Amino acid sequence: DTGVSQDPRHKITKRGQNVTFRCDPISEHNRLYWYRQTLGQGPEFLTYFQNEAQLEKSRLLSDRFSAERPKGSFSTLEIQRTEQGDSAMYLCASSSASSGNTIYFGEGSWLTVV
Amino acid sequence: AQTVTQSQPEMSVQEAETVTLSCTYDTSESDYYLFWYKQPPSRQMILVIRQEAYKQQNATENRFSVNFQKAAKSFSLKISDSQLGDAAMYFCAPTQEEGAQKLVFGQGTRLTINP
Repeated sequence: DTGVSQDPRHKITKRGQNVTFRCDPISEHNRLYWYRQTLGQGPEFLTYFQNEAQLEKSRLLSDRFSAERPKGSFSTLEIQRTEQGDSAMYLCASSSASSGNTIYFGEGSWLTVV
Repeated sequence: AQTVTQSQPEMSVQEAETVTLSCTYDTSESDYYLFWYKQPPSRQMILVIRQEAYKQQNATENRFSVNFQKAAKSFSLKISDSQLGDAAMYFCAPTQEEGAQKLVFGQGTRLTINP
């Protein structure tokens, strides 16, 4: 078990550019989550997949954000036309009923928009 | 919307002593899970302990234990024999919906361990 992995760990981009983050969940986990965390705050829920189906999206997820999990394994989170307010850490997590519904987090992807 | 309150923004404890971090939450669910996570300076969210709401017995994991009061919607974390490596931000997080298992986080408590 290699845990939840995220790539890249750090990304600096210019305002207006597009960025994409990848998450590989724990292999047997069918649920996958994206959260966003800004400095001094707790993580905030963005979206949730069960297998390949995106079942819920937070109102925090503007139209510039899109997430996919095409084969029910890895997921991508794309931010288009980045803004300085998008600067945050983007956390991916996964869980499954077979693993006791415990939610495990990856190390996060830091985004800095300059 | 569900809310989670961690009323202690910062706590400090002497090494080897015991400290308790408080958490209260609001939920309309009857069956849910509660977690405590720690986030050291590396920023990775590390699971400390979990509790199923239907279980009356408080969870224990080595030096970490919880005091879960379902009726009062309270879920405190006790750390015994505090170690320098326990220094971190601690987040309380109940799940919001049984199916989705979404976590709702509090603002966190920064724990400092004094040698």
